[in-house]
Amino acid sequence: EPEVTQTPSHQVTQMGQEVILRCVPISNHLYFYWYRQILGQKVEFLVSFYNNEISEKSEIFDDQFSVERPDGSNFTLKIRSTKLEDSAMYFCASSPDRDYYGYTFGSGTRLTVV
Amino acid sequence: RKEVEQDPGPFNVPEGATVAFNCTYSNSASQSFFWYRQDCRKEPKLLMSVYSSGNEDGRFTAQLNRASQYISLLIRDSKLSDSATYLCVLALYNFNKFYFGSGTKLNVKP
Repeated sequence: EPEVTQTPSHQVTQMGQEVILRCVPISNHLYFYWYRQILGQKVEFLVSFYNNEISEKSEIFDDQFSVERPDGSNFTLKIRSTKLEDSAMYFCASSPDRDYYGYTFGSGTRLTVV
Repeated sequence: RKEVEQDPGPFNVPEGATVAFNCTYSNSASQSFFWYRQDCRKEPKLLMSVYSSGNEDGRFTAQLNRASQYISLLIRDSKLSDSATYLCVLALYNFNKFYFGSGTKLNVKP
């Protein structure tokens, strides 16, 4: 079964540092998403991406966040200057089209900001 | 007001029991509905979509009531492996994002 792959599985970073979380979506998928889940809380939408541009973003996705699809296979989330409250599990997801009923999540990157 | 509300549980049931979860949503423009399952510190995995006519997948039955704005999940003959958190998820018309409930935790005991 095709998978969405995320790396690294766990990242520890100092507050104020930049981090890049990487995702390889399923190869024929066109829509890409980042979600996050703070420990003990619900999964929250960050951003959706299609045709090399952001389709929609949440209030969480402020100027410190950016996404990129640099080479046609990777999909990255960059946090420019991490804060303690950015500590969370970050999930990447992809779907073949917008009306797809339920998309596939990667196994996540656990980001710990210290 | 929360988009999606779920009873957090936990629901502690013996193996073989039938258990039901409900979820209510606030936005009547919600278009599509799903149940996801999430194991501890893992990614959400799609369990089933939910249709107005109701749908069944083995031991799992999902129902949607648009008039009352709630969806339900029924699990029959619970297995130990059903222990997980069950997430109610919905999408609006544009499918650009999903709204997740906080989840209902199920513990199936031997």
